[in-house]
Amino acid sequence: EAQVTQNPRYLITVTGKKLTVTCSQNMNHEYMSWYRQDPGLGLRQIYYSMNVEVTDKGDVPEGYKVSRKEKRNFPLILESPSPNQTSLYFCASKQFPGQGRAEAFFGQGTRLTVV
Amino acid sequence: DAKTTQPTSMDCAEGRAANLPCNHSTISGNEYVYWYRQIHSQGPQYIIHGLKNNETNEMASLIITEDRKSSTLILPHATLRDTAVYYCIVRALGGSQGNLIFGKGTKLSVKP
Repeated sequence: EAQVTQNPRYLITVTGKKLTVTCSQNMNHEYMSWYRQDPGLGLRQIYYSMNVEVTDKGDVPEGYKVSRKEKRNFPLILESPSPNQTSLYFCASKQFPGQGRAEAFFGQGTRLTVV
Repeated sequence: DAKTTQPTSMDCAEGRAANLPCNHSTISGNEYVYWYRQIHSQGPQYIIHGLKNNETNEMASLIITEDRKSSTLILPHATLRDTAVYYCIVRALGGSQGNLIFGKGTKLSVKP
């Protein structure tokens, strides 16, 4: 079954304690991205990756890092989380823009609370 | 990417067709219309997309006006499980970022 898997689904952490949210896809997609969703602000892109070792900033990259060492994985790293990063996070993947199927597949989300 | 305008909310009776409109009057020639939905904080789910012809799949139909300035997503027999926020997104297929810009969408409530 084609899917994007995020872990953990729920996480409560304290300010400043480094954390990683993992994302893995089994569709051999080149393109992966991270979004955050906040009430009243909708879904906003944090970072994206066009392929292995190719990453770039989205609309709200401050406070986040990503890496793309393997095609299937795209972890989101918060080096020093702060309360304003409390949010619902989604990972997404799709084939390279312009090739093949157009739809993006989203993970089930990670609800992060930073206290 | 062109901007889209959708109603904030809509109601639909279970079993009836749900018709969700989207205005995209500034759409350019190479931009597609995509529809996604999000059920109660789950990950957004792709529904359908089209360029200028009407499209149909197992989930829905997409009707695009001849001038391409608006479109309608049709759920032919809405069920309670179709209650969700529906997003209309306009973007070029080969966009370099692949970024989907989600607006506020339409909250569809299907009622028994």
